[in-house]
Amino acid sequence: QLQLQESGPGLVKPSDTLSLTCTVSSGSIRSSDYYWAWIRQPPGKGLEWIGTIYYTGTTYYNPSLKSRITVSVDTSKSQFFLKLSSVTAADTAMYYCARSRGAVAGGSDFDYWGQGTLVTVSS
Amino acid sequence: DIQMTQSPSSLSASVGDRVNFTCRASQSVSSLLNWYQQKPGKAPKLLIYSASKLQTGVPSRFSGAGSGTDFTLTISSLQPEDFATYHCQQSYSSPRTFGQGTKVEIK
Repeated sequence: QLQLQESGPGLVKPSDTLSLTCTVSSGSIRSSDYYWAWIRQPPGKGLEWIGTIYYTGTTYYNPSLKSRITVSVDTSKSQFFLKLSSVTAADTAMYYCARSRGAVAGGSDFDYWGQGTLVTVSS
Repeated sequence: DIQMTQSPSSLSASVGDRVNFTCRASQSVSSLLNWYQQKPGKAPKLLIYSASKLQTGVPSRFSGAGSGTDFTLTISSLQPEDFATYHCQQSYSSPRTFGQGTKVEIK
């Protein structure tokens, strides 16, 4: 069964860059059928798609965050990454990585999720 | 962006009840609508994709219907493990957007 695991600091200072890693196991990150995504959920609120990457490095970003995010992949380590710059308290959230069946539109869903990692932005 | 609105925001129901809740899109998303279940402290779990297709391993008491702008998730006989929050998500256009969730609580 495919597994995804997020890792990274749980506390980030305002104006700093949030950096997270998602490690994929029991499955190939190089599969041509799937994409890899980051999604977040502020405490007590709904889900927000952040960005998606294909194993070739092609990326798709949420326009609302595009100026601050970078998603990258290292297929040799079966990992993909999220960097979110200039964070504020509004970026405090549970961050999930997930597998996406499909890119960003025209039919896609998130069928496997990591357990999530809580990132708090505070000085 | 396509706005997704779920109603109600919460509901109380009993084990064995038939439960329906809705998701409305601000513009047509065809049948490109997914439903997820989220239990407290856990990641969401895909239940229904493409409006009505049951994800592998999901019990048949869950069903989805709708197209265009209006969608429904139905639980035919609510079980104790179904008390959770349910989210809809459109995949018609980018950015993919979610509804705010419907929380199902025990009556």
